[in-house]
Parts: sequence; C-alpha cells; structure tokens
Amino acid sequence: DVKVTQSSRYLVKRTGEKVFLECVQDMDHENMFWYRQDPGLGLRLIYFSYDVKMKEKGDIPEGYSVSREKKERFSLILESASTNQTSMYLCASSLILDSPLHFGNGTRLTVT
Amino acid sequence: KQEVTQIPAALSVPEGENLVLNCSFTDSAIYNLQWFRQDPGKGLTSLLLIQSSQREQTSGRLNASLDKSSGRSTLYIAASQPGDSATYLCAVRNRGSTLGRLYFGRGTQLTVWP
Repeated sequence: DVKVTQSSRYLVKRTGEKVFLECVQDMDHENMFWYRQDPGLGLRLIYFSYDVKMKEKGDIPEGYSVSREKKERFSLILESASTNQTSMYLCASSLILDSPLHFGNGTRLTVT
Repeated sequence: KQEVTQIPAALSVPEGENLVLNCSFTDSAIYNLQWFRQDPGKGLTSLLLIQSSQREQTSGRLNASLDKSSGRSTLYIAASQPGDSATYLCAVRNRGSTLGRLYFGRGTQLTVWP
C-alpha cells in the first residue's frame, strides 16, 4: 500500500514565524501536491511538483513556497505565517499523471 | 476553468439503503475522474478511479459510472452501513497543459444511521 506521511498532525505557530510542513511518500511517485482545505471552500491547490526540483504554482501560491530536493520528499514552507493560513494542509502523491492520487492524513495548522 | 459540483451536499439514510451520489463537471475534456472518501479530521482515501475511456468501475459495494459527454459521474453505494458515514468527494483531471492538477467538488456528507 502507498504511504504518504505528513510529519505533524497538529501544529501551532505564531504570526511571523517561518513554518515547514514535511511530506514523504514511499512509493517512488513522480508527482506530489500540496492542498489546503477550508470549510466552505473545499480543497485548493497550493503547489505541485512533477519531478525533483520541478514545481508549478497552483491556485493559491501566495505566501507559500515549496522544496523538492529528493523524489520522496515535498516540503511546504510558509515564509511568514499569518492567521489566514490557519487551515488543514493535505499532501498527496501519484505515480504518474493518470494514476490515483494518494493523500496523507493532513496537518492541522493554527497560526495565532 | 473546470467546475465540479456535487449534489446533494448532505445525505442522511437508514442502514441498508442503496444510494447514489452525484458529481457533475463543466469541461468534458477530462483525463480521468476519481472518487474519494474523507473521515472527519483525516486525509482523503482513494475509492475508485475511472479513466476517460471507461464507463464504470466497481470495488466491493461501490460502483462508479462516468458519462463524459454529459459531464456526469455517479457513485452508487449498495446496502449502506454506518461505517460508510463520511464525506465523499469527486475530482477530475483535465487534459491539456495543466495535466497534473485535479479539480475537486465540495463533497457530499453522508450519514448512515443504524
């Protein structure tokens, strides 16, 4: 079974802090994604990556950056956390573009 | 831009009923469609993936159909159980330059009561 692991289930950070969310997949998947999920807004794509060191902006990249130095790891970085970035963050991966998407369990981030 | 709609937003049924969840999308040039289940506070679990060339996929009590020309998919759940209670989301992957991304519906929140 595919395993997508997000390093933290719950995270509380202060406004202005630099925040790192880590995601690791164990199935040699090419594609990795970061979404955020908010009530009433559904899932919104922040960034995705289709290869090591390659990245593409999603719908809401402002205030975020990503890093993919190794194939199995995709990091989401909040450069200076703000309260409107309080959300559930979901990482996902897929082997190739037409294969199923597999999600991690999510990180619930609270910025105070 | 692709728009994905799921109706109804919420559904409450007694155990044992057969039920249908609906998903519609505005752009029929899709690569595939995927159904997910999400339990409260958790990530999404993939249920079924239908490629654009397929009409349906089955897994256990679940059957998903796809009518690409009319922009619709349905998820049929047979003999529902309380353990099926969750939010069900559909997502489509478009053909074209944004090949990697999925467009998600808002989900149908299903409650199956004993």
